[in-house]
Amino acid sequence: AQSVTQLGSHVSVSEGALVLLRCNYSSSVPPYLFWYVQYPNQGLQLLLKYTTGATLVKGINGFEAEFKKSETSFHLTKPSAHMSDAAEYFCAVSEGGGTALIFGKGTTLSVSS
Amino acid sequence: SAVISQKPSRDICQRGTSLTIQCQVDSQVTMMFWYRQQPGQSLTLIATANQGSEATYESGFVIDKFPISRPNLTFSTLTVSNMSPEDSSIYLCSVAGTLYSEQFFGPGTRLTVL
Repeated sequence: AQSVTQLGSHVSVSEGALVLLRCNYSSSVPPYLFWYVQYPNQGLQLLLKYTTGATLVKGINGFEAEFKKSETSFHLTKPSAHMSDAAEYFCAVSEGGGTALIFGKGTTLSVSS
Repeated sequence: SAVISQKPSRDICQRGTSLTIQCQVDSQVTMMFWYRQQPGQSLTLIATANQGSEATYESGFVIDKFPISRPNLTFSTLTVSNMSPEDSSIYLCSVAGTLYSEQFFGPGTRLTVL
């Protein structure tokens, strides 16, 4: 069975600081990995995904994530936080194309000025 | 990408009643899923809606409580039956993209049960 662990339910950073949101996964097959963002009272938006190929993936809004198989991790980073980045972030894993997503519990990112 | 709409966007219901949520996609898709997001929680998969056959339910979810229909490749419904306040959640449908490498989510239906 697959699972996702997001370390830190709440992360606070200052504007301009590095954002690091941690995600570790468990999967018996090569995983597809995703980061989604959810702004208050809005739907889910895909930030980035890893399926195959390059392990460093770039997404929207300056976010990127690196797939590290040896560490079973897929941490999300952004060099410089912006106030508009404040939201809930979900890491998710699937067994491949067309299969359901298993979500982590989410990390709330707060950005202070 | 797929454009997904859900109806209703929100509703307030009395306990013991049922609500049917509709999910419409602007293109034909093979895979459709229903998720629940309880207040302050993450998303949990309820079931996979299969076109032409019964839905496949995850552990903890049963057909009598959450009947699902999938009459064609662009539409699905989820019914929340005999509701209780514990059913108050956001219900989201999602579809797999054309290349199946990602999923697109509808805007969700915010359900409050009194």
